[in-house]
Amino acid sequence: DAKTTQPPSMDCAEGRAANLPCNHSTISGNEYVYWYRQIHSQGPQYIIHGLKNNETNEMASLIITEDRKSSTLILPHATLRDTAVYYCIDLSDSWGKLQFGAGTQVVVTP
Amino acid sequence: NAGVTQTPKFQVLKTGQSMTLQCAQDMNHNSMYWYRQDPGMGLRLIYYSASEGTTDKGEVPNGYNVSRLNKREFSLRLESAAPSQTSVYFCASRPQAGNQPQHFGDGTRLSIL
Repeated sequence: DAKTTQPPSMDCAEGRAANLPCNHSTISGNEYVYWYRQIHSQGPQYIIHGLKNNETNEMASLIITEDRKSSTLILPHATLRDTAVYYCIDLSDSWGKLQFGAGTQVVVTP
Repeated sequence: NAGVTQTPKFQVLKTGQSMTLQCAQDMNHNSMYWYRQDPGMGLRLIYYSASEGTTDKGEVPNGYNVSRLNKREFSLRLESAAPSQTSVYFCASRPQAGNQPQHFGDGTRLSIL
């Protein structure tokens, strides 16, 4: 079973920031937080990952709380193309075996 | 730049038939993975290959076999297909052990009647 907890769905207005929460209640010190998304049953797409510090790349920002029990993925200016299922995953295995939960269905509306 | 290529994209089988799903990556990645995704659910790991010449079971390996043919190719075989194996199958690869993201193919949609 997935180790993370996410809301099942959320809506976001186009052009606004989308803040996607994730709870990591059992995360351990050497586990990274990964975020992927899946657009309309395509293969999952990597977004961002981090260990302790906040991270930013061209797609998104990742905020990890100091106790690492929760994280937030921020899409700064959501577009219609950001409509997807978003997954947060604790990578607990050095061989990279991902455990996907049900994710959050994000719908961006005009 | 093709990335991870899966063939076929769609397939319909009858119960009891056999089938091999093909996956190839052109990124010189060491590790490769096979996942399945059932409707409304997240992906579940079937098998993985940490490096050429090695394979290991994932969360749901029953009814499947794999072959890491070379560094580029990792195939998934259903010896005797069952309706419960109707699913979308995704292949992924990543550079090496450690914290590198996986890159996924576009999936094979398999229906077993």
